[in-house]
Amino acid sequence: AQSVTQPDIHITVSEGASLELRCNYSYGATPYLFWYVQSPGQGLQLLLKYFSGDTLVQGIKGFEAEFKRSQSSFNLRKPSVHWSDAAEYFCAVGALSGGSNYKLTFGKGTLLTVNP
Amino acid sequence: NAGVTQTPKFQVLKTGQSMTLQCAQDMNHEYMSWYRQDPGMGLRLIHYSVGAGITDQGEVPNGYNVSRSTTEDFPLRLLSAAPSQTSVYFCASSPDRADTQYFGPGTRLTVL
Repeated sequence: AQSVTQPDIHITVSEGASLELRCNYSYGATPYLFWYVQSPGQGLQLLLKYFSGDTLVQGIKGFEAEFKRSQSSFNLRKPSVHWSDAAEYFCAVGALSGGSNYKLTFGKGTLLTVNP
Repeated sequence: NAGVTQTPKFQVLKTGQSMTLQCAQDMNHEYMSWYRQDPGMGLRLIHYSVGAGITDQGEVPNGYNVSRSTTEDFPLRLLSAAPSQTSVYFCASSPDRADTQYFGPGTRLTVL
């Protein structure tokens, strides 16, 4: 069974600073990888996803993520954070579990605070 | 195009009461799922459906029932509410189980 770890519960950055949110997974092969964002009181919205191919994935709102097989990581980055990026970010891993049964597992989330 | 809608937005129940959380989608998605979100726990899958008439259990199914009579609707039933079911519930739909999930706005449930 797969697992996903987001090591940082809470990160604070200044507006205009760069951002990197970490995500590590455990799975025997290459899983499907997702980053979702949740604004306060809202549902989750997909930022980007990786299924195969180019390991650097571009998403919405200026976010990108890089899949590194050797490190079992899929870190989310943004070169310059805006105040509107303050939200909770979830990494998710999708993989086959027990034969043909597909399972999607979410990390516990990283809360991003942006200081003016 | 409304996407995924959930009703109600908020609900307070007493222990032992039953209720149904409604979920509907207008994107003709085959795959639908219910999650609960608790502080520090991320999202945990309760039940899911790969199409009308087909449902299966997720990670935390106890105390919940689902049915899928149409492609559009996927209600979640709490049979006898318990304080441990206090949570925020999200419904999601997807064209395929391995594809992007589209989430509803959530239902915040409190069980006293």
